[in-house]
Parts: sequence; structure tokens; C-alpha cells
Amino acid sequence: DTAVSQTPKYLVTQMGNDKSIKCEQNLGHDTMYWYKQDSKKFLKIMFSYNNKELIINETVPNRFSPKSPDKAHLNLHINSLELGDSAVYFCASSHQGARNEQYFGPGTRLTVT
Amino acid sequence: GQNIDQPTEMTATEGAIVQINCTYQTSGFNGLFWYQQHAGEAPTFLSYNVLDGLEEKGRFSSFLSRSKGYSYLLLKELQMKDSASYLCAVRWVEYGNKLVFGAGTILRVKS
Repeated sequence: DTAVSQTPKYLVTQMGNDKSIKCEQNLGHDTMYWYKQDSKKFLKIMFSYNNKELIINETVPNRFSPKSPDKAHLNLHINSLELGDSAVYFCASSHQGARNEQYFGPGTRLTVT
Repeated sequence: GQNIDQPTEMTATEGAIVQINCTYQTSGFNGLFWYQQHAGEAPTFLSYNVLDGLEEKGRFSSFLSRSKGYSYLLLKELQMKDSASYLCAVRWVEYGNKLVFGAGTILRVKS
């Protein structure tokens, strides 16, 4: 299936742990994104990569580090997890260009206890 | 700022027409998207407007007035499956063309 996929779908972990979320797209897109959707359902951009190069880096704690090994993959590593990191994290991809719609992955629900 | 305003919730009846409004800051505007998000699922693309006017796509249409900083999403012949959150998202040139999402409008369709 052509799509944006993320793993894991659910992640429950304790404060202070380090975790990673993986994202892959096989749509041939050159731009990938990470979004955070909090409990109030606000969807906010965190990072964007174009051809493996970081182009958007919002004000997020430096405990969050994205890594793009190639155009089809964008992973998110989170160090020293905090309670406030609990949210749904969505990966998305698109062709480069302002008019191109973004395709979202199914989301990873992160719960920090 | 990057203000995007949408109503928080709306309720409509199956078979009816509903209009969801979105207002935004006009300076540097560079495109507006509407996305649909069912509970527990990913947002999916509905429409894109960058020029004034109406874009029609089946039961869904989206309208844009750039001078007024205003858009609406029109849903016709409502079905129960249209119950979802509808997200207005805007690009502004001065914010690096990133997509900024509004808080979303929860639409409840009742029979």
C-alpha cells in the first residue's frame, strides 16, 4: 500500500526514559514533517525536512531530535521524557511547494507516566 | 500573529447543508487548506484555495476571500460519517510557508 506509516502506534513509557518514533513514506515525496497534537487537539508543526535537510525547526525542547536518513524516512527521538510530552505525534509528507497537500501518517499516541 | 479562528463546535442534521467558517490574518497569505479528522485518526486533505472564489469537489466546496481573510467549507447532503473535526490551515510567506492549523471545528451530524 502507498502511504505514510509510523511505528509504534501506541507508546506508554515512564518519565525520564528515551524513546524513538519511526516514520516512512512511499509516496515519492521530498518533504517530511513531524506534528504534535495535544489533548486540546491543536495540531502544531515541530520539524520539517526537505531532501534530508532540516528546513523548519519550531521552538521545541532540544530533547526532541529528528533524524532523516533518507528522503523516505524521518524519525523522532525524544530524550528524558516528561509528562507534558504526552500527545499524539503525526508524521506527514508532501511534494515540495506551497500548494501541495500533506499526507498524514496514522499517528503515535505517546503516554508518559 | 498567526491567528486562525474557527467555531469550536457545530451540530447539523443528516441531509442538511452546513457551512464552517474560518478567518485568518491576511498579511503574507499564501494558501489555505481544509482537512477532515475523524476521532482517533489522521487528518485527511479536503481542499486547497489560494485564489478568490469557490472550489467544488463533490459534496464539499471551499470558498476564499483574500481581502477579507475569510474562508468557508460547505458540506452538502450531510451524512452521519461527516461527523468529524474540520481543520482550517493557512500558509503565510513570512512564517516560512509552514502550515499553521486552526483549533478545528467539531461537527456533529444528528439523524
